[in-house]
Amino acid sequence: EADIYQTPRYLVIGTGKKITLECSQTMGHDKMYWYQQDPGMELHLIHYSYGVNSTEKGDLSSESTVSRIRTEHFPLTLESARPSHTSQYLCASSDGGKDTEAFFGQGTRLTVV
Amino acid sequence: SQQGEEDPQALSIQEGENATMNCSYKTSINNLQWYRQNSGRGLVHLILIRSNEREKHSGRLRVTLDTSKKSSSLLITASRAADTASYFCATRTGANNLFFGTGTRLTVIP
Repeated sequence: EADIYQTPRYLVIGTGKKITLECSQTMGHDKMYWYQQDPGMELHLIHYSYGVNSTEKGDLSSESTVSRIRTEHFPLTLESARPSHTSQYLCASSDGGKDTEAFFGQGTRLTVV
Repeated sequence: SQQGEEDPQALSIQEGENATMNCSYKTSINNLQWYRQNSGRGLVHLILIRSNEREKHSGRLRVTLDTSKKSSSLLITASRAADTASYFCATRTGANNLFFGTGTRLTVIP
């Protein structure tokens, strides 16, 4: 089992609410990622971080924001949730080498009503 | 897709048969990786092949890589019902991020 955890697993919230999806890893990995997964399966990179105080936007534009104040923690925040944000959000981490695998959390399935 | 396509989108086979999935990508890569996802859960890494490798084996898995055609294939031999899942290829590029394909849904019928 990978030591990367996401909470909550499922979240149903009303439009306009602010939410934070939590992601923590205990492997000491420098690199962390957030992916958004469509119902049709494709994963889109929305944010990544190469270390503390480093955050970058991915290739899919997202209204969410992230922070990386501690190595082990990479939360994702939506200031005002909308139904279009309904999706599965997957957090992953990997160490610094290029020939390394990514470890994924179990995902957060977000539904905005 | 950010990097490429997987083919087929869905595959249904009988237990004991072999399953082959293909992946195409668009840019130069450092390596290509295959992952498995059970329904509604996170992805699990299966195997990694470097850009200077052509074939790699791990248990019942065989991966090939053709950098001239920018394509890879994953072969699962002697499939089992427990192999039912979605399978994704992912490429690690010069920028060191990991980009995923569109996935293949594999169903193995007991």
